[in-house]
Amino acid sequence: AQRVTQPEKLLSVFKGAPVELKCNYSYSGSPELFWYVQYSRQRLQLLLRHISRESIKGFTADLNKGETSFHLKKPFAQEEDSAMYYCAPPMNYGGSQGNLIFGKGTKLSVKP
Amino acid sequence: GAGVSQSPSNKVTEKGKDVELRCDPISGHTALYWYRQRLGQGLEFLIYFQGNSAPDKSGLPSDRFSAERTGESVSTLTIQRTQQEDSAVYLCASSWRGSREEKLFFGSGTQLSVL
Repeated sequence: AQRVTQPEKLLSVFKGAPVELKCNYSYSGSPELFWYVQYSRQRLQLLLRHISRESIKGFTADLNKGETSFHLKKPFAQEEDSAMYYCAPPMNYGGSQGNLIFGKGTKLSVKP
Repeated sequence: GAGVSQSPSNKVTEKGKDVELRCDPISGHTALYWYRQRLGQGLEFLIYFQGNSAPDKSGLPSDRFSAERTGESVSTLTIQRTQQEDSAVYLCASSWRGSREEKLFFGSGTQLSVL
């Protein structure tokens, strides 16, 4: 089945260190993937999307077709980045039938 | 409304009782999704509505779970004969299924505790 996979359940880094949250996908072509974030006691919300080629809160994510990856990266982690991060599949991909199955999530903990 | 609204925000029930969870999506959003988030776990997809129809109900954990949507608006997730393993946060999200780059808007969830 087509899906996104997050291999790490927990990632712990020190403030100022680079961080990379891994996401691999099994869709063909150039899927429009997303990263969502859930800060403590806040709603799950969109962080960034592939199509926008944007940098949000210092985070970027590049689609690597060769490695079928969409890893989320930030060069210098901050304590306020501590949150749960979810890689999300394409919203309207042919054959998905709307069953949007997110990655299992990676909990990022940034220590002072 | 300003966003996706879910009610109640907290529900405590006894094992064996039925519960109804409500979701009010953003006005005009045609797609509506239900997810379950157990403590310390990721998002578990339950069901998706396009309009009032749910094309695939295979994500529902058991036949004790059902969901409906009316008027292409409000959706209700019903859990019959609740069990302790049903305890979780139930999240609702909505979107306008118009383009590939659309995003989901999530509600704040219903925390269900089954004693």
